[in-house]
Amino acid sequence: EVHLLESGGGFVQPGGSLRLSCAASGFTFNNYPMTWVRQAPGKGLEWVSDIPGSGGRTYYADSVKGRFTISRDNSKNTLYLQMNSLRPEDTALYYCSKGGFGSVTDYWGQGTLVTVSS
Amino acid sequence: QAVVTQEPSLTVSPGGTVTLTCGSSTGGVTSGHYPYWFQQKPGQAPRTLIYDTINKHSWTPARFSGSLLGGRAALTLSGAQPEDEAEYYCLLDYPDFRVFGGGTKLTVL
Repeated sequence: EVHLLESGGGFVQPGGSLRLSCAASGFTFNNYPMTWVRQAPGKGLEWVSDIPGSGGRTYYADSVKGRFTISRDNSKNTLYLQMNSLRPEDTALYYCSKGGFGSVTDYWGQGTLVTVSS
Repeated sequence: QAVVTQEPSLTVSPGGTVTLTCGSSTGGVTSGHYPYWFQQKPGQAPRTLIYDTINKHSWTPARFSGSLLGGRAALTLSGAQPEDEAEYYCLLDYPDFRVFGGGTKLTVL
């Protein structure tokens, strides 16, 4: 059974940093691209970033480009999102999902909440 | 990056049929956008219903179907059930980015 568990969310001041993690199980992690998606309170879904199964070229929404970095450790079956220079508008529930460019996005985690406020 | 548009809200009667659509600011939606449809209920994570325009997951109820309709991606619900009341989001793939639509709040009433 596929399982995705996000962690690392919390409260941070504007300009601060956080690193989110997504622990994956139930599938061959390095065979699949992975995706981060976020949802601000009461708002819709927003695609954030994708990474291929082998790592390599990564993809970002314009809203986070240059501030966020997606990465993965295939030996630990874990996906990461390093978030720097955080802004209040980055406040959201951050989901990881299995799949991305070239592979079906099918399973989702339950999300981890990031709050950016002074 | 592109803007993806959906109807903000729709209402369907129990047992009725409704079609949700998804358009792109860059032109007509094609199979090359690999359209997705996700269902999200309050307090829950999204659930993937449709991928690559028409394909269903094992958990997708048969009453949901995907298609292309007049240059837009479409999700048709035939025989609506009360449990289908939810927010529905489409997702389109572009060469270097992906964009969600703003979502359609579907009421079954």
